[in-house]
Amino acid sequence: GEDVEQSLFLSVREGDSSVINCTYTDSSSTYLYWYKQEPGAGLQLLTYIFSNMDMKQDQRLTVLLNKKDKHLSLRIADTQTGDSAIYFCAERYSGNTPLVFGKGTRLSVIA
Amino acid sequence: SQTIHQWPATLVQPVGSPLSLECTVEGTSNPNLYWYRQAAGRGLQLLFYSVGIGQISSEVPQNLSASRPQDRQFILSSKKLLLSDSGFYLCAWSVDGREQFFGPGTRLTVL
Repeated sequence: GEDVEQSLFLSVREGDSSVINCTYTDSSSTYLYWYKQEPGAGLQLLTYIFSNMDMKQDQRLTVLLNKKDKHLSLRIADTQTGDSAIYFCAERYSGNTPLVFGKGTRLSVIA
Repeated sequence: SQTIHQWPATLVQPVGSPLSLECTVEGTSNPNLYWYRQAAGRGLQLLFYSVGIGQISSEVPQNLSASRPQDRQFILSSKKLLLSDSGFYLCAWSVDGREQFFGPGTRLTVL
């Protein structure tokens, strides 16, 4: 069945790197996503990666995909207090099927 | 550019009262539209999605319903609210199913 798992909490010091991990179960996923949610707000699409890619980098964000282990990670370099939020991993199959979301990882950045 | 609106931003309703939440998208045509509920500030639950006018798929049987009277309008309704309907309701849209964008959300409190 469809399932996306994430750890619930992560705490890092300002300036350090953050790594948020995610595992998924369906090997036929075509796209994998990372969303950010700040308190009281909707979800903001940060980045996504196509399943035939291993890595995608966008400024401070690096996404790594290990298809063999069905493992996705989001690395945030030089983490800032403004990065404190809940980060959701999501996967999508082909066509118009809705995204399947994990429960989110709450990132706390300590100054 | 595309924008998505949700109305109202916050709502407090008594148990047993009706509900109508509205979502509208601007700047695109024939979007896929989605309703999610987020309880207790965590995990997203897909409620309904629509690939066209009058086409609604329900993911979770409950006392909520959805309608799409116009191409870029998606409405979430209930005839009688329950306490368990409290939560943060998020509308989202996509065009090709690859990128999915979220609205600002509606905070519903049922007393």
